[in-house]
Amino acid sequence: DIQMTQSPSSLSASVGDRVTITCRASQGIGNDLGWYQQKPGKAPKRLIYAASTLQSGVPSTFSGSGSGTEFTLTISSLQPEDFATYYCLQHNTYPLTFGGGTKVEVK
Amino acid sequence: EVQLVESGGGLVKSGGSLRLSCTVSGFTFNSYSMTWVRQAPRKGLEWVSSITGTSTYIHYADSVKGRFTISRDNARNSLYLQMNSLRADDTALYYCARLTCSSNSCYTPPDYWGQGTLVTVSS
Repeated sequence: DIQMTQSPSSLSASVGDRVTITCRASQGIGNDLGWYQQKPGKAPKRLIYAASTLQSGVPSTFSGSGSGTEFTLTISSLQPEDFATYYCLQHNTYPLTFGGGTKVEVK
Repeated sequence: EVQLVESGGGLVKSGGSLRLSCTVSGFTFNSYSMTWVRQAPRKGLEWVSSITGTSTYIHYADSVKGRFTISRDNARNSLYLQMNSLRADDTALYYCARLTCSSNSCYTPPDYWGQGTLVTVSS
């Protein structure tokens, strides 16, 4: 199985900060990676697919990069509505596997 | 508008069974693969099972293999998850979601998700 190691598990940040979250795959997955945002009591929302393609309707403050085994989600300027938990997901090989999540909290 | 609505969750005793349903609208159901993802209380997301549009290819997580069965009825625009021999660690919010897959991988990660149905297994 492909393990997705996501870091950090949590971070504290302020509005306007630049935030970077990393996912590392235990083996190469090309660009078969998505990023999700989840708020309490809500379903996950897809932000990025194909590692770097922004989902329609998602603010351009979000961006994704990487391929192979190393991937990054960047929020260029954190907004109040961005405080949430973020997950990566590899869909290159079954079983599909999620990263452990990153909780972005108010500093 | 794409909509996915799960139902069928509830409280069940360990060893019991439950059948979850996911009814969809707003897209051509048989053109898409579907998946179940679960989230235990205060935990992360865990993929459970996926099925292609014509039910040709089905995959399960090792944690549910042999106990859970995914199926779909394209005429009813519905996805199902039959869960048998339930255990306490199956307690979770179960989401259905749409994606596009082939025999052994997926072209896209899930885009649309339902709001989830809660399964609680008591010991």
